[in-house]
Amino acid sequence: ETGVTQSPTHLIKTRGQQVTLRCSSQSGHNTVSWYQQALGQGPQFIFQYYREEENGRGNFPPRFSGLQFPNYSSELNVNALELDDSALYLCASSSGPQGNEQFFGPGTRLTVL
Amino acid sequence: ILNVEQSPQSLHVQEGDSTNFTCSFPSSNFYALHWYRWETAKSPEALFVMTLNGDEKKKGRISATLNTKEGYSYLYIKGSQPEDSATYLCAPSGGYQKVTFGTGTKLQVIP
Repeated sequence: ETGVTQSPTHLIKTRGQQVTLRCSSQSGHNTVSWYQQALGQGPQFIFQYYREEENGRGNFPPRFSGLQFPNYSSELNVNALELDDSALYLCASSSGPQGNEQFFGPGTRLTVL
Repeated sequence: ILNVEQSPQSLHVQEGDSTNFTCSFPSSNFYALHWYRWETAKSPEALFVMTLNGDEKKKGRISATLNTKEGYSYLYIKGSQPEDSATYLCAPSGGYQKVTFGTGTKLQVIP
């Protein structure tokens, strides 16, 4: 069984740039959720993808977008980066969208200068 | 989005002491509550998923209880060990995986 992986592990961008973060879900999981964890806060829910469709979204602007592929891996795209986007981005996969146990990846640390 | 509060924010205990933390959340529109342990430089690790009022779950020296009517959950650690040092996060969800995490309780167990 392969765990959840994320790439890259670290990333530095400048304001206004765009970034794509990637997540490979655990084998057998069809649901991926993305979270942003800013310093001193708990992870904040960005959105969830279930069977290639967005299935719920948190309080994030439209410049945060995502995709899920037929193999259930997922991308998080952030356009027009702002300084406040600097955070740890976590993805978590699960075997379904409702209250199932989530398995987290190690995260991508994004720094926006 | 649920308003989730965890207390205390941090605590230090001696090895062998037992401890507990609290997670408070709105009791309306509750679906499930997750507890996670997050060690530094690692991924959050799921401890428990609880759904029913009165649920009690146990894994080794760690246990948790759930009260959905009053909106709280307790996590207990019996006989704390240095390897228990981590941040413990609770995350209630209101269905369809709209999970809201608390800010966590950071536990430091002193040998």
